[in-house]
Amino acid sequence: EAQVTQNPRYLITVTGKKLTVTCSQNMNHEYMSWYRQDPGLGLRQIYYSMNVEVTDKGDVPEGYKVSRKEKRNFPLILESPSPNQTSLYFCASSLSYASGSYEQYFGPGTRLTVT
Amino acid sequence: TQLLEQSPQFLSIQEGENLTVYCNSSSVFSSLQWYRQEPGEGPVLLVTVVTGGEVKKLKRLTFQFGDARKDSSLHITAAQPGDTGLYLCAGHTNAGKSTFGDGTTLTVKP
Repeated sequence: EAQVTQNPRYLITVTGKKLTVTCSQNMNHEYMSWYRQDPGLGLRQIYYSMNVEVTDKGDVPEGYKVSRKEKRNFPLILESPSPNQTSLYFCASSLSYASGSYEQYFGPGTRLTVT
Repeated sequence: TQLLEQSPQFLSIQEGENLTVYCNSSSVFSSLQWYRQEPGEGPVLLVTVVTGGEVKKLKRLTFQFGDARKDSSLHITAAQPGDTGLYLCAGHTNAGKSTFGDGTTLTVKP
């Protein structure tokens, strides 16, 4: 089944404790992206990747890191989480930049709480 | 930062009524998508529009992309309770950046 998977689905952590949220897709998609969703603010793009070893900042990259060493995986790293990073996080993938349509397929979300 | 203004933010209607949701920007997008999101789940793609002036229909849903590719609308005919959900528009540039509207929460009462 074609899908985007995220782990963990739920995470409660403390300020400053490094964490990684994994994202994997099995559709051989070139484009992957991370978003956070907060009440009243919609989905905001954190980082995106056009292909392996190519990443770029979205609108809210502060406090986050990403890497794209393999096509299927795009982990989101919070080196020192803070309470303002409490949010619902979504990973998404899309076929290719060349297709130009950016039809994104989303994972189920990761609800992160930082105390 | 490109902005997408979506309106209305909330919409509560009776079954059988028609409605339109708007998505407006001052920026030009290479493509625009409409998604629907259920509570606790990720957004699911409804449609992509690419060409200025393009109109697409999906059963009772009609999507239109503005001639200048800066705005779009979603029209639902004879809304049903199953249409209830959060509707999101998203614009994309060729550089890979994505911008989402804040969403329209639609409630259709039986």
